Amino acid sequence: DVKVTQSSRYLVKRTGEKVFLECVQDMDHENMFWYRQDPGLGLRLIYFSYDVKMKEKGDIPEGYSVSREKKERFSLILESASTNQTSMYLCASALSSYEQYFGPGTRLTVT
Amino acid sequence: GESVGLHLPTLSVQEGDNSIINCAYSNSASDYFIWYKQESGKGPQFIIDIRSNMDKRQGQRVTVLLNKTVKHLSLQIAATQPGDSAVYFCAENTGNQFYFGTGTSLTVIP
Repeated sequence: DVKVTQSSRYLVKRTGEKVFLECVQDMDHENMFWYRQDPGLGLRLIYFSYDVKMKEKGDIPEGYSVSREKKERFSLILESASTNQTSMYLCASALSSYEQYFGPGTRLTVT
Repeated sequence: GESVGLHLPTLSVQEGDNSIINCAYSNSASDYFIWYKQESGKGPQFIIDIRSNMDKRQGQRVTVLLNKTVKHLSLQIAATQPGDSAVYFCAENTGNQFYFGTGTSLTVIP
């Protein structure tokens, strides 16, 4: 079974802090994705990556950056956390443009 | 952006009944669709997928129907069980990106 893990299930940070969310997958998938999930809005794509050191902006990249130094790891960075970044963050990986496997999510609260 | 929406935000069914969850999509070029189940506090879990060259696909207790004419997708769950209670949402693939619906919350009444 594909396993996608995220570094934290719950995280509380202060406004202005730099936040790192880590995602690791164990199936050698090329594609990895970061989404945020908010009530009534569904999943919105922040960034995605098709290969090591490659990244593409999704629909809502503002305020975020990503890093993919190794194939299995995709990190989401909030350079200066703000309260409107309080959300559930979901990482996913996929072998191609098809089925995405999701991690358990990180619920981030910025106070 | 894409518009992927669900007709009903909540659905309650009696245990043992069949459930039907609907989804509308807007991009006729979308060629691949997935239904996900998300239980409280967990990440989305793949249920079933269908490609645009198919009208119907069946899994274990689940069936997905695709009507390309009206850009409509449905998920049918047979003999709904309490463990089926969750949020269900559809996703469409256009190019290399997925677009997700907001979800329908299914509650199974024992």
